[in-house]
Amino acid sequence: KAGVTQTPRYLIKTRGQQVTLSCSPISGHRSVSWYQQTPGQGLQFLFEYFSETQRNKGNFPGRFSGRQFSNSRSEMNVSTLELGDSALYLCASSPDVANYGYTFGSGTRLTVV
Amino acid sequence: DQQVKQNSPSLSVQEGRISILNCDYTNSMFDYFLWYKKYPAEGPTFLISISSIKDKNEDGRFTVFLNKSAKHLSLHIVPSQPGDSAVYFCAAKKGLKQGGSEKLVFGKGTKLTVNP
Repeated sequence: KAGVTQTPRYLIKTRGQQVTLSCSPISGHRSVSWYQQTPGQGLQFLFEYFSETQRNKGNFPGRFSGRQFSNSRSEMNVSTLELGDSALYLCASSPDVANYGYTFGSGTRLTVV
Repeated sequence: DQQVKQNSPSLSVQEGRISILNCDYTNSMFDYFLWYKKYPAEGPTFLISISSIKDKNEDGRFTVFLNKSAKHLSLHIVPSQPGDSAVYFCAAKKGLKQGGSEKLVFGKGTKLTVNP
């Protein structure tokens, strides 16, 4: 059974650019959440999607956005990149909202220069 | 406001001994707690969890203890092995009745080193 797949694994972008990260959940999982990991702040919640609807959003500026498709795949977008956006972005999936079986992907390492 | 705190950034133990990782939380609405293990360049891997209706959950070498009155939980690893060396994250979530969702609130992690 394939795990959570995140693409790309590594990305280097310039300040001011935008970036789109992709997450394919485990087959059958309908809930997808995104987290940002930085050395100083640990893992911080970005968004949560279930059946194409955003159910919850963390305390991030509007430059961070996301969406979920009908096949449960999810994307997150960061516009007008800042140096502080450099982080590991992690996606987690679970079968449904009430289930606690979160599985994380390996993440996308974004570096903003 | 750090709702989940892991006050020890690092811990070093000898192989075969017990590792005890601690976690404190401030939000009394949390009703489910999880521990994740993370190696560099990989995503967190689920280890063990505990519901607020319990005070102990055991899975092999891993045991999680929950003290609700103190808002404290701990992860015990016995015996510790060099392969356990990783960063351990404590996480908490609210129950659906408390308006929760799939949002996990993480601590900043404790780096465990198990020396051979």
